[in-house]
Amino acid sequence: DAGVIQSPRHEVTEMGQEVTLRCKPISGHNSLFWYRQTMMRGLELLIYFNNNVPIDDSGMPEDRFSAKMPNASFSTLKIQPSEPRDSAVYFCASTPPSSGQRAGELFFGEGSRLTVL
Amino acid sequence: SQKIEQNSEALNIQEGKTATLTCNYTNYSPAYLQWYRQDPGRGPVFLLLIRENEKEKRKERLKVTFDTTLKQSLFHITASQPADSATYLCAPNTGGGNKLTFGTGTQLKVEL
Repeated sequence: DAGVIQSPRHEVTEMGQEVTLRCKPISGHNSLFWYRQTMMRGLELLIYFNNNVPIDDSGMPEDRFSAKMPNASFSTLKIQPSEPRDSAVYFCASTPPSSGQRAGELFFGEGSRLTVL
Repeated sequence: SQKIEQNSEALNIQEGKTATLTCNYTNYSPAYLQWYRQDPGRGPVFLLLIRENEKEKRKERLKVTFDTTLKQSLFHITASQPADSATYLCAPNTGGGNKLTFGTGTQLKVEL
């Protein structure tokens, strides 16, 4: 299995620009999570989807952030406009269905490191 | 508010010894709790899951305990090796649909 695939791995942009991060979950997984990691705040859940439907977006910091999951194999996290305080590593993770043997286990991608100047 | 605490200071131990990491949580009643390992520049990797009705779980050199009265989980690595050096994150289930909230992690360094 290819694992969770995220792109880009690194992004450097200027304040005010739009940033789009992409995620391809593991085939057959039905839940997808977006996390943000910083030294100060650790790993924070931003939003998660179940069967492509957003279930909990209470962690999305503000309206500048939006996430979509148009189908089971693709999700995006968009920041518009970006600010320096958005600099962090953004992780995508997926989980298999709750009936599966590895239910509840999160499979993480390698992350997208965002730097906003 | 919900809170998850792990040893914020790095833990340095000698090879061969047992490492014990602590995770305390407040204002939760998690149905299960997970532990992950994270290496620099990489995503977290799942290690173990323990459910609220389980006191202890083992996997090779790893052991996790879960005390729902104390609201605490302990993570043990026996016969530690330098390759065990990493940051270890605990993550109680804090909502439906496999929602996990992560602690800030404890950095473990195993020295020769």
